[in-house]
Amino acid sequence: NAGVTQTPKFRILKIGQSMTLQCAQDMNHNYMYWYRQDPGMGLKLIYYSVGAGITDKGEVPNGYNVSRSTTEDFPLRLELAAPSQTSVYFCASSTTGDYGYTFGSGTRLTVV
Amino acid sequence: DQQVKQNSPSLSVQEGRISILNCDYTNSMFDYFLWYKKYPAEGPTFLISISSIKDKNEDGRFTVFLNKSAKHLSLHIVPSQPGDSAVYFCAASGGGTSYGKLTFGQGTILTVHP
Repeated sequence: NAGVTQTPKFRILKIGQSMTLQCAQDMNHNYMYWYRQDPGMGLKLIYYSVGAGITDKGEVPNGYNVSRSTTEDFPLRLELAAPSQTSVYFCASSTTGDYGYTFGSGTRLTVV
Repeated sequence: DQQVKQNSPSLSVQEGRISILNCDYTNSMFDYFLWYKKYPAEGPTFLISISSIKDKNEDGRFTVFLNKSAKHLSLHIVPSQPGDSAVYFCAASGGGTSYGKLTFGQGTILTVHP
């Protein structure tokens, strides 16, 4: 049972480049989330989804896009990367009504 | 606007003693609170939670206390073990439109010395 799998683990981007952070879960969870964690800060919600085909903005959505075509996958797209997007990105999932998220191990992104 | 605050960036405790991690919140709509534990290079893992209808919840060595009037919660770890050394995040959620979404504090680094 893999849980929540994030790829890649590390990535360096140049300013203006684009990339997609992948997230997949095999627990049949309806809810999926993307958070970012900056040094000394808590996790901030970027986007979330309550099921396939349904997504909504979180606290810090600017510069990001998401899609949810299947229950399992929730990719996060960065367009025109900026240094302010340097962060550690965590994907998480949960069953409906269950706040005990299962997190992936994170993607450390550096934009230079 | 930090709705969930952990004012102590770090805490150092001797093995076998009690660790007390604190968390304050400002949003009175929050009705569910959780603690997560995070080791380096890993994602956070769920530790323990408490609903606003309770003031205490225990799970083995971990106890969470909630003081709604003070908008304060704390996590007690007794006895502390070196393997407890990690970053601890408190998180909160309210009902209605924020259902299923968590607001996290900044985290407290706990170091338990042998």
